[in-house]
Amino acid sequence: KNQVEQSPQSLIILEGKNCTLQCNYTVSPFSNLRWYKQDTGRGPVSLTIMTFSENTKSNGRYTATLDADTKQSSLHITASQLSDSASYICVVSVNTGGFKTIFGAGTRLFVKA
Amino acid sequence: GAGVSQSPSNKVTEKGKDVELRCDPISGHTALYWYRQRLGQGLEFLIYFQGNSAPDKSGLPSDRFSAERTGESVSTLTIQRTQQEDSAVYLCASRLAGGASYEQYFGPGTRLTVT
Repeated sequence: KNQVEQSPQSLIILEGKNCTLQCNYTVSPFSNLRWYKQDTGRGPVSLTIMTFSENTKSNGRYTATLDADTKQSSLHITASQLSDSASYICVVSVNTGGFKTIFGAGTRLFVKA
Repeated sequence: GAGVSQSPSNKVTEKGKDVELRCDPISGHTALYWYRQRLGQGLEFLIYFQGNSAPDKSGLPSDRFSAERTGESVSTLTIQRTQQEDSAVYLCASRLAGGASYEQYFGPGTRLTVT
């Protein structure tokens, strides 16, 4: 069964600190993996996308890694800011030539001053 | 350019009433998705439209749910005889094409509350 699991469910950190969010998937055949950021009351916005051959991708203070062998990804946030408070969703696309995307439940990040 | 828009932003309805939610995708985007997100939960896929192909309705939870799309433009999601468990945020997303590598752009969602 195609599944995407994220951990932790929620996380509280102090402003300026780093954190790492985890994503494990059992999706096959794998096409790509995206991390989305969803602010409260808004739709998700894509942060990074990685295909099978890519093992790291950065977007400003966000760095995503992918280990296609172990089917794990992480999102590292450096020097967190209050505006980083949001849900971070891991999304894996299935390579069927079609549309299928599997969403994780998300990690809720709270950055405190 | 304009993003994906959804209306209304909030909808409160009584149990048993029908509701219609609207999504205006980004112009030129051939793929359109509807998702449901219950409070504190992940996104649940509902339905997918791609060009003139038959929509994939495999995610619709019951026959009370239906959706239509006019060509490659606006889409409406209809929920008949609403139930309290239908309370959720309904998100619409559009994508440039059907390929998995293209990003889905999400609208702000419609928050539905069934009382």
